[in-house]
Amino acid sequence: GQQLNQSPQSMFIQEGEDVSMNCTSSSIFNTWLWYKQEPGEGPVLLIALYKAGELTSNGRLTAQFGITRKDSFLNISASIPSDVGIYFCAGQLDSGGSNYKLTFGKGTLLTVNP
Amino acid sequence: DADVTQTPRNRITKTGKRIMLECSQTKGHDRMYWYRQDPGLGLRLIYYSFDVKDINKGEISDGYSVSRQAQAKFSLSLESAIPNQTALYFCATSGGHEQYFGPGTRLTVT
Repeated sequence: GQQLNQSPQSMFIQEGEDVSMNCTSSSIFNTWLWYKQEPGEGPVLLIALYKAGELTSNGRLTAQFGITRKDSFLNISASIPSDVGIYFCAGQLDSGGSNYKLTFGKGTLLTVNP
Repeated sequence: DADVTQTPRNRITKTGKRIMLECSQTKGHDRMYWYRQDPGLGLRLIYYSFDVKDINKGEISDGYSVSRQAQAKFSLSLESAIPNQTALYFCATSGGHEQYFGPGTRLTVT
């Protein structure tokens, strides 16, 4: 099946630092989504991207849909302790039979030291 | 109130028992999904349903079955639980490209 390579697997940063993580795929996606999961909770949608090259922000979060449609990036600026959690990328294939199914990366565990 | 709810939130069961996990949504979405989450493996799709009469297997459906009782309800069953089905289980719904997740059920099979 399709695979998404998400990196890094984990990050330990100081409060106030900026964070970058990314996902790459061997397949073309027509939608990229970024989720955050906190302990004991389900993933929560942060940002959705629908067009190659698209750059979208949500507060201190910025995500980009790669030009090749095979990658996406998430940046968090000026991190704070409540940014702690697991961040997942998810892609939706550009294929009629697979519409509305998502492929997930394995997640980036973010720890922020106050 | 939460848009996607799951019951129970935690469950411990013994090998060989049949159990059912339930999911309800108030978002009015047609599409519903069941995922399993294991440490280091991310989210893997078990089953999905695009409407009440439509049920499809995901990538890891063996050992599981589902029932779409209504647009708002999608349940997951383990007919005979085994220890390697110990995991976090999430239900999700979708009305477009985005999926919205429930709070999860932590299942332990001893």
